[in-house]
Amino acid sequence: GAVVSQHPSWVICKSGTSVKIECRSLDFQATTMFWYRQFPKQSLMLMATSNEGSKATYEQGVEKDKFLINHASLTLSTLTVTSAHPEDSSFYICSARAPGTGVTDTQYFGPGTRLTVL
Amino acid sequence: AQSVTQLDSQVPVFEEAPVELRCNYSSSVSVYLFWYVQYPNQGLQLLLKYLSGSTLVKGINGFEAEFNKSQTSFHLRKPSVHISDTAEYFCAVSYSSASKIIFGSGTRLSIRP
Repeated sequence: GAVVSQHPSWVICKSGTSVKIECRSLDFQATTMFWYRQFPKQSLMLMATSNEGSKATYEQGVEKDKFLINHASLTLSTLTVTSAHPEDSSFYICSARAPGTGVTDTQYFGPGTRLTVL
Repeated sequence: AQSVTQLDSQVPVFEEAPVELRCNYSSSVSVYLFWYVQYPNQGLQLLLKYLSGSTLVKGINGFEAEFNKSQTSFHLRKPSVHISDTAEYFCAVSYSSASKIIFGSGTRLSIRP
């Protein structure tokens, strides 16, 4: 089946620094990728929808200047948490959808990245 | 507002017993429903999905779910669980007017030997 990878799987950083998380679709091309945030024992909250070659669409309440998303190719999207603070500590998950598909088609999820900001 | 509710945060059951994980969604003209499973330290995997047609949907690993429009529910069931079914299960919904999937808060299924 389709595989989505994320790198790194976990990262610890100091407050005020920036962290980049990569999301790759390994065996298919994804025109659309999604970034989610998951707090402990809570659901996945959609942060933004990333379309290849265009600006990401952010959900209400998500700071686009803080969570920079780049989808430069059909197999790679990156999320950069800028000037990270302890409250940004969370589990970040990406998913990818194959091109030409709509909402009814499967999203393939990455294994997630655990970010801890000290 | 579009939403999905999973009534049980945790469900403990004995091995080989049946299980039902409950899910309700906010009503809409048309809706697409999903169940995902997240094993420890892994990404989400699609168990099954309802798009249209038969209200009883069969998925992987012996799971099935039934779409009930009148009760706006999409409960997940398995007649006999195994230790390997221990995981977090997420119900999700998408509406025809949007392309995003909205997730429920999740139900942790723990299997006792």
